[in-house]
Amino acid sequence: EAGVAQSPRYKIIEKRQSVAFWCNPISGHATLYWYQQILGQGPKLLIQFQNNGVVDDSQLPKDRFSAERLKGVDSTLKIQPAKLEDSAVYLCASSLELAGGRDTQYFGPGTRLTVL
Amino acid sequence: TQLLEQSPQFLSIQEGENLTVYCNSSSVFSSLQWYRQEPGEGPVLLVTVVTGGEVKKLKRLTFQFGDARKDSSLHITAAQPGDTGLYLCAGRATSGTYKYIFGTGTRLKVLA
Repeated sequence: EAGVAQSPRYKIIEKRQSVAFWCNPISGHATLYWYQQILGQGPKLLIQFQNNGVVDDSQLPKDRFSAERLKGVDSTLKIQPAKLEDSAVYLCASSLELAGGRDTQYFGPGTRLTVL
Repeated sequence: TQLLEQSPQFLSIQEGENLTVYCNSSSVFSSLQWYRQEPGEGPVLLVTVVTGGEVKKLKRLTFQFGDARKDSSLHITAAQPGDTGLYLCAGRATSGTYKYIFGTGTRLKVLA
């Protein structure tokens, strides 16, 4: 079974530029998550999709970040314009929604963004 | 805002030693997961605990969920260099969107 795919793996941009990340979840996984992981910290949820609907985007800085999952499969996360503090690893995860809180999130390798 | 504090933040031990990592919160979680993350990779799930007081063992790793479902611990017996990595706990909220809140992380280094 193929895992969660993300691209690019690395990206370096100047502040105020825009950038986009792509994620292809595991086939059949209805739930897709984007997390931001700043160096030395745990991941922070930015947005959660259930199929192509947004379940939670309470921690997404909506003035500069946007995400979509148009056909309920792959997803893109965009930052425009980027700030220095956006330097982080952006992780995508997907899961089957199982009862009892025992669902497993499968993470991709992440995209490491450096904003100069 | 639900927060999960992990301790210690960093741990460097010799091969063969035992260690315990703690994950604490003032909030109740419906379930708690432990992950290990290696450099350049995403976190990988180790275990999920759901019931207060639940204990799970995975080879040399023992996980416990607190009775009140507010805290958890991970104990490693006879640590090996292969255990090196970032250990993350993640609690699932009991209401709202039931999202996962990740802990601050414990970076473990096991020296041969």
